[in-house]
Parts: sequence; C-alpha cells; structure tokens
Amino acid sequence: EVQLVQSGAEVKEPGESLKISCKGSGYNFEDSGYSLISYWIGWVRQRPGKGLEWMGIIYPGDSDTKYSPSFQGQVSISVDKSISTAYLQWSSLKASDTAIYYCARLEGYYNILTTWVSGAFDIWGQGTMVTVSS
Amino acid sequence: EIVLTQSPDTLSLSPGERATLSCRASQSVTSSCLAWYQHKPGQAPRLLIYGASSRATGIPDRVSGSGSGTDFTLTISRLEPEDFAVYYCQQYGSSPITFGQGTRLEIK
Repeated sequence: EVQLVQSGAEVKEPGESLKISCKGSGYNFEDSGYSLISYWIGWVRQRPGKGLEWMGIIYPGDSDTKYSPSFQGQVSISVDKSISTAYLQWSSLKASDTAIYYCARLEGYYNILTTWVSGAFDIWGQGTMVTVSS
Repeated sequence: EIVLTQSPDTLSLSPGERATLSCRASQSVTSSCLAWYQHKPGQAPRLLIYGASSRATGIPDRVSGSGSGTDFTLTISRLEPEDFAVYYCQQYGSSPITFGQGTRLEIK
C-alpha cells in the first residue's frame, strides 16, 4: 500500500524551532521508473477554520525544491532519500504558524523548459497538528 | 498567481440529489491542470479529479469533472451520505500551485 506517514502533533512556544517529518512507503520514493514522470513531495498548510495553502515541493532524487512565494524564507523543506523521509522545518515559530500541516505525493510531468512539474497530489499524509502558544 | 474562486461557498442538498460545484480561474489554467479534492474533518484531503476530467483511482463514476480554460465544474450525481464534505479545486499547471477557498456541501 502506498502511504505517507507523518510525525505526531507538536506544541511549541513562539521563537522555538521545529522539524516535522513525512515518511513514504509502498513506492519508489525517489524515482517513478519512467523518464517523463517523477514523484515529488509537497507540503500544504491548513490554518484553523481555513482552506488549503500550498507551501512547496521537493524532488527526493536531487532535492530540487520549489517554494510558494508566501512561504519562501519562512520554512525550509528537505529530504533524506535514504530513509524515504521528507521534512518541513521552522527556525523560529510564530503563533500564526498554528495549523495542520499535510504532506502529499505529487506525481507529475517535469517540463525542462519551464522547470515546473505539473501533477496533482494523489497520496496524502494524515496531517501533523502544530500548536504555537505561550 | 492564478486565483481560483469557487461557488457557491455552501451548498445544501439532500441525498439522492445532484451537486454542481464551480471553480473559476483568474487566468487560463495551463493544459487543464485542474484537480478537485474532497476534505472531511479529521481526515486528509482525497484526490477526486485531475486533468480537469480524469477520475482518480477508486473514485465512482457518479463523480465527474469538466471544463477548460478558466471555468471548471465538479458534478456529483445522486449524492450519498459520505459525499457531504468540503471540496477544493486546485490548479497545478503553473507556480505557485493555488487552491480555491472551498465549497462546503452540507445535508439539507
């Protein structure tokens, strides 16, 4: 079974750092096996009572990372392909970071000319609740 | 950035009825790179439709997507109790990936 399993809920104080994880299984985490299709891992935020916001995606094969302008510089996305795990990290949390964070697999076509990969999020993790409060 | 506007915000229908959800983009969506997701409280979002009209694995044929350019529609014929949830459209043809604000489908 293809699945993404995320780390557990976190409660932090403003200013603290945090790294949450997303472990893939049931598929080749870093390579689809097809030259035109690649698997990426994305992160999506959902603040309390709000909708879904895309944060960024990373390609486990070479750690190529693309950030939403809204999150560039606010978070860091990384991956350790040896253990099929992607990470989302904050160096200094704010109360406004309180949210559920989902990782999701993107199976997409990479356009060499535009360097953009287009694909939907077909597999989702269960979500990690992050609460930031003093 | 492509802004997606969904309508209506809330749709109240009864089981057995037909649901029609709309998603309008501020500019043309590249190559119909438009997806629909179902999201229930306490669960992860679930991919329903990709490429504007292709059903994801395991999605029943009473769920369908249509549209191109800037106007897209998700249709659920014969609503079942498990269909009541929040639905999001998403464009992934250009960066940044964007989601609509969601349509809440509630039981009337």
